[in-house]
Amino acid sequence: ETGVTQTPRHLVMGMTNKKSLKCEQHLGHNAMYWYKQSAKKPLELMFVYNFKEQTENNSVPSRFSPECPNSSHLFLHLHTLQPEDSALYLCASSPGVANEKLFFGSGTQLSVL
Amino acid sequence: GDSVTQMEGPVTLSEEAFLTINCTYTATGYPSLFWYVQYPGEGLQLLLKATKADDKGSNKGFEATYRKETTSFHLEKGSVQVSDSAVYFCALSPGGGNKLTFGTGTQLKVEL
Repeated sequence: ETGVTQTPRHLVMGMTNKKSLKCEQHLGHNAMYWYKQSAKKPLELMFVYNFKEQTENNSVPSRFSPECPNSSHLFLHLHTLQPEDSALYLCASSPGVANEKLFFGSGTQLSVL
Repeated sequence: GDSVTQMEGPVTLSEEAFLTINCTYTATGYPSLFWYVQYPGEGLQLLLKATKADDKGSNKGFEATYRKETTSFHLEKGSVQVSDSAVYFCALSPGGGNKLTFGTGTQLKVEL
């Protein structure tokens, strides 16, 4: 248990659906991240939030919309996704953006049909 | 840009065998180097790190030495166990900080 909880663990959605991924951390960290993990590809950093403010958007398509209402919660809103968006989406947190030790959740396995 | 290259898996070993997972990197300056491990059904966890040339990171019997001359950070363990079965990710952070660049991961399977 790393202190970072992601829900749901699995999600299947059609290309016209709207869904949200949720991440919660109980570590008192100030920075939170979304990563995409696809088979045989390096982890891709998607978004970084520091003290609720977005500090990094790594050229992510607008069909992915992050939300960070407070330092403990992070959401990823999904709409009109494509089959190639199927992947494991990982949330992580760290004490601050100057700290390279990340704590990861178990991920949401997303399948887009 | 920065990049990390890892050997392709899966790597399959018998219990008590010696493990090496190769990792090389490309980066400007002097990055910090890391190994993260992902056990089945879990998120990634930091396994070990090294912040400067010739540093050796170690944890749970795993070791890796920061080799600037060969731009490498190979992961080694003298005697693997079935419980070491996982995916291992090499990563770098330019100058420290949270902007980690990861490799593709190497799956390790340890059999009895």
